[in-house]
Amino acid sequence: NAGVMQNPRHLVRRRGQEARLRCSPMKGHSHVYWYRQLPEEGLKFMVYLQKENIIDESGMPKERFSAEFPKEGPSILRIQQVVRGDSAAYFCASSPSKGGGSEQYFGPGTRLTVT
Amino acid sequence: AQTVTQSQPEMSVQEAETVTLSCTYDTSESDYYLFWYKQPPSRQMILVIRQEAYKQQNATENRFSVNFQKAAKSFSLKISDSQLGDAAMYFCAYRSARSGGSNYKLTFGKGTLLTVNP
Repeated sequence: NAGVMQNPRHLVRRRGQEARLRCSPMKGHSHVYWYRQLPEEGLKFMVYLQKENIIDESGMPKERFSAEFPKEGPSILRIQQVVRGDSAAYFCASSPSKGGGSEQYFGPGTRLTVT
Repeated sequence: AQTVTQSQPEMSVQEAETVTLSCTYDTSESDYYLFWYKQPPSRQMILVIRQEAYKQQNATENRFSVNFQKAAKSFSLKISDSQLGDAAMYFCAYRSARSGGSNYKLTFGKGTLLTVNP
C-alpha cells in the first residue's frame, strides 16, 4: 500500500506567482489534512478536508490560500501571489476516518521557496 | 487552546547511551492522545510512539518508551541504546479525543534536535 504522496517535493516560485501543491492520500483514506512548518518551528494545522468538502480551514490564512479535495484526483493546496513569508515546508496527512483513534499518516512534504 | 512545549532545543547523546527528551502540554481536557514524531534530514514525519491519556501504562516501542505523568501534564520520550540513525528532530504532539470537537487537529511543539555521537 503506497503511502501519502506529495508533489512536487521542492518548488521554487518568484514573488507574485502561484504555487500549487498536490497530495494523494493513502488508498482508502478520505480525510486529508494540511500542515505548514515554518523554519525552526513545529507543524501547524492549516485545513482539514473530506472528499469535496472543507471541514475546517481555521488554520489557513484568509487571503491567497485555498484548498480543495475533489471527488477524483489529489487534494490541492493553492497559494496565490506568493510572498517570501510563504517559504516553508507543507505537509499533507491522511486518515481513514476522522479523529478518535484514527492515525494520520504524513507525506514527505513539499518545500516551497519564494525568491 | 492546547499548547505543547519542548524546552530543549537541542540534545546530544553518545551512541549506545540513553537519552530523555522532555515535553509538557497544557489542556483542560481529560481525554486526549499524545505522540512523538521523528523528522530525519529527509523531513519525512515518522510516528515513533503514541499514548492514550486514559491508559495509565506507559507506551513502549522497542527502544523507545515514554514517561506519561498526567497530573503534571508531562510526556517525556526515552531512547535507550541510542543509534546513529536516531539522529533527527523530535516533535511532541497533542490531539484531543473529545468526540464532536476538533479531535483531528494535531498540535506540535517546536521540536528537539537530537545528535548522536559515535
